[in-house]
Amino acid sequence: DGGITQSPKYLFRKEGQNVTLSCEQNLNHDAMYWYRQDPGQGLRLIYYSQIVNDFQKGDIAEGYSVSREKKESFPLTVTSAQKNPTAFYLCASTGQGASYGYTFGSGTRLTVV
Amino acid sequence: RKEVEQDPGPFNVPEGATVAFNCTYSNSASQSFFWYRQDCRKEPKLLMSVYSSGNEDGRFTAQLNRASQYISLLIRDSKLSDSATYLCVVERYNFNKFYFGSGTKLNVKP
Repeated sequence: DGGITQSPKYLFRKEGQNVTLSCEQNLNHDAMYWYRQDPGQGLRLIYYSQIVNDFQKGDIAEGYSVSREKKESFPLTVTSAQKNPTAFYLCASTGQGASYGYTFGSGTRLTVV
Repeated sequence: RKEVEQDPGPFNVPEGATVAFNCTYSNSASQSFFWYRQDCRKEPKLLMSVYSSGNEDGRFTAQLNRASQYISLLIRDSKLSDSATYLCVVERYNFNKFYFGSGTKLNVKP
């Protein structure tokens, strides 16, 4: 079955450490996205990529970095510059035109310890 | 002003009740509209797209009012399993970028 796989499901980060969240899709979707969700709040866009080797900052890109070397993969690195990284991170993808909405991965819950 | 605004609720309703949520959007260039359902600590899942003519899927009906820039979701004969947060999502034409409301929480009680 086609879908989006995020790993790990839970991640613990020490202060000052960089961590990378994985997102892989086999839906042949061109566009991929990273969102952050804080408790009781909506989703906020971190980065998005509409094509391989190209990506744009979203609304809250500071302290994060991404790459899009393959169509299937869009990893997110949470750097030490992100001062409040504890959140639920969701990866999504959509096909051309986006008229069918997003497909989401099951998310990664990141906690700073 | 936020792109998409929703009443956070919670809406507490008994089983079998009819409940409706509204969502307003600020940009008239918005083109595609969706309702997503999110269960606690899970990813959002597409509930239904919203078409200009309105659309129905079983107990769920979605409407779009472009003149007033809002979409609505009506749930009839509420079930306990309908308890979740409902997210309104709007896409601007040709941007391939989605804007999420913060969600409306629904609690269906026995």
